Amino acid sequence: IAGITQAPTSQILAAGRRMTLRCTQDMRHNAMYWYRQDLGLGLRLIHYSNTAGTTGKGEVPDGYSVSRANTDDFPLTLASAVPSQTSVYFCASSDSTGAYGYTFGSGTRLTVV
Amino acid sequence: GQNIDQPTEMTATEGAIVQINCTYQTSGFNGLFWYQQHAGEAPTFLSYNVLDGLEEKGRFSSFLSRSKGYSYLLLKELQMKDSASYLCAPREGYQKVTFGIGTKLQVIP
Repeated sequence: IAGITQAPTSQILAAGRRMTLRCTQDMRHNAMYWYRQDLGLGLRLIHYSNTAGTTGKGEVPDGYSVSRANTDDFPLTLASAVPSQTSVYFCASSDSTGAYGYTFGSGTRLTVV
Repeated sequence: GQNIDQPTEMTATEGAIVQINCTYQTSGFNGLFWYQQHAGEAPTFLSYNVLDGLEEKGRFSSFLSRSKGYSYLLLKELQMKDSASYLCAPREGYQKVTFGIGTKLQVIP
């Protein structure tokens, strides 16, 4: 089934630890995105990539990094997790036009303690 | 930047019609998305309006007025499964999409 796969589904992480959230899509979409969703704040863009080999910063990039080595994969890394990074993380993708909307993965629920 | 205003919560009766309004302020407007998000799940795409007017897609319709910075989502023949949050998301340029906090719709029997 075409779509986006995120892993892990959920994770409890000790503060200060490094963590990579994985995201893979099989739709050959050029653009990919990472959002975090917090109660009362909605979805906020962390980083995005318009095409393989390029990345850009979103609204809340601090403490996060991404890479886009190929079309399918877009991992998000927390170098040293802090409790304020407790959130639900969604990966999404779209074609170059974006006119057909974003396809979202099922999300990763991350708790930093 | 973009400011998005939509009601926090709404309640409607099964079988009825409900309209969810959204006003926004943005520069470089390039269309507006509506997404549905059930509790604990990912958002799913409903509609995309670029030009003024009404776009109909089954039980769901979306309207846009660019000059007024206004959009609405119309849901007809409400079903219990329509209980969800509805996110208004204006697009600025090609990749900058800002999501509103969403309107939590509760459909009651």
